[in-house]
Amino acid sequence: GAVVSQHPSWVICKSGTSVKIECRSLDFQATTMFWYRQFPKQSLMLMATSNEGSKATYEQGVEKDKFLINHASLTLSTLTVTSAHPEDSSLYICSAGPGREGMWEQYFGPGTRLTVT
Amino acid sequence: LAKTTQPISMDSYEGQEVNITCSHNNIATNDYITWYQQFPSQGPRFIIQGYKTKVTNEVASLFIPADRKSSTLSLPRVSLSDTAVYYCLVATTGFQKLVFGTGTRLLVSP
Repeated sequence: GAVVSQHPSWVICKSGTSVKIECRSLDFQATTMFWYRQFPKQSLMLMATSNEGSKATYEQGVEKDKFLINHASLTLSTLTVTSAHPEDSSLYICSAGPGREGMWEQYFGPGTRLTVT
Repeated sequence: LAKTTQPISMDSYEGQEVNITCSHNNIATNDYITWYQQFPSQGPRFIIQGYKTKVTNEVASLFIPADRKSSTLSLPRVSLSDTAVYYCLVATTGFQKLVFGTGTRLLVSP
């Protein structure tokens, strides 16, 4: 149980285009999901908190107009990287959890490798 | 959010027991401790979680002393496939955002 999936697993796009990444909780409902970014050999950096039915909360320094987050349902959150540039190339990882009393562990998706050329 | 400190790297050999210690001196009463494992280009994988004393599951044990200012992840009889980065996280009870530290890079050799 507690499986989180991401799609696509990897994507290559040209500079200036937009890319959408999906995060799904497969066997539980996730009121809150989190989006992280990770550069090679570095730790995960939290980008934003995605709340179902409301606007996402972005961490300081993360451009909300560039990284659009939509949490349309209790099992799906999407991250759209708009006008992507080579410096946006990274591994994007989402996480979610049952979020119930006694079940606070979070489960992470496998990540989406974005390469901007 | 409590700050955590872990060794940057550790080396071990197959079949040995590995203990990774994490310091979290300013842990709060409601904080719990979670360990994750991450392989390159993959999302972190939940290993174990605990609040105090000892917790054991099928892959690891977590030891937490009475003052809870540190915790130790114990991996029995490691194999080459345990080579990964291990993260210790401390968060308050409730669905909180997780702040990752640098983690410990474990290298298991034959």
